Amino acid sequence: EIVLTQSPGTLSLSPGERATLSCRASQSVSSGYLAWYQQKPGQAPRLLIYGASNRATGIPDRFSGSGSGTDFTLTIRRLEPEDVGVYYCQPYGASFGPGTKVDLK
Amino acid sequence: EVQLLESGGGLVQPGGSLRLSCEASGFTFADKAMSWVRQAPGKGLEWVAAITWSGVTTYYADSVEGRFTISRDNSDSAVYLQMTSLRADDTAIYYCARLGAVSGHWMVFFDYWGHGALVTVSS
Repeated sequence: EIVLTQSPGTLSLSPGERATLSCRASQSVSSGYLAWYQQKPGQAPRLLIYGASNRATGIPDRFSGSGSGTDFTLTIRRLEPEDVGVYYCQPYGASFGPGTKVDLK
Repeated sequence: EVQLLESGGGLVQPGGSLRLSCEASGFTFADKAMSWVRQAPGKGLEWVAAITWSGVTTYYADSVEGRFTISRDNSDSAVYLQMTSLRADDTAIYYCARLGAVSGHWMVFFDYWGHGALVTVSS
């Protein structure tokens, strides 16, 4: 069973700043089979990134994903107020990481 | 537009049963694997169950194995979650989610989500 660590637990940034979220797996994730989700307060989760670096339909290009093996990163290039929420990573076929909460300073 | 609409949530006593339904529209339902994901109050996401497009193969988390049953009716474009022997720690919002497409794999990522159905297990 893959164990996921997401860091930091909480990220507090000002609008316009760059957000870097980390997802580390206890074993290698084959073929970059990793997805990222955004969950805004009071809403259902939404797919952001699949295949480690592919943006889902309708996702703004300020969101980008990278990484391979055991280390993956979600970057929000210029944080906007509507980006506040919790971000989860998920290797294909496995459950989710504990999440990183992003809020505004 | 893909839409997933859950129903059937509510308050149930410990040891009781409940059946959730998810009606799908906006895509060819019979082509897609489906799943249920839950979120306990203030907690993260937990993948609970999944079912292939044909219904032949299913997956269950250890926490619900033997108590929950996922099924589907392709003629009605619906997926169901029958929950029995419910416990307080089953209290959560239950999301219906569509599984994405990756050649050679069926348990992958979730590309569309419903708004969720709240299940509360309490006496």
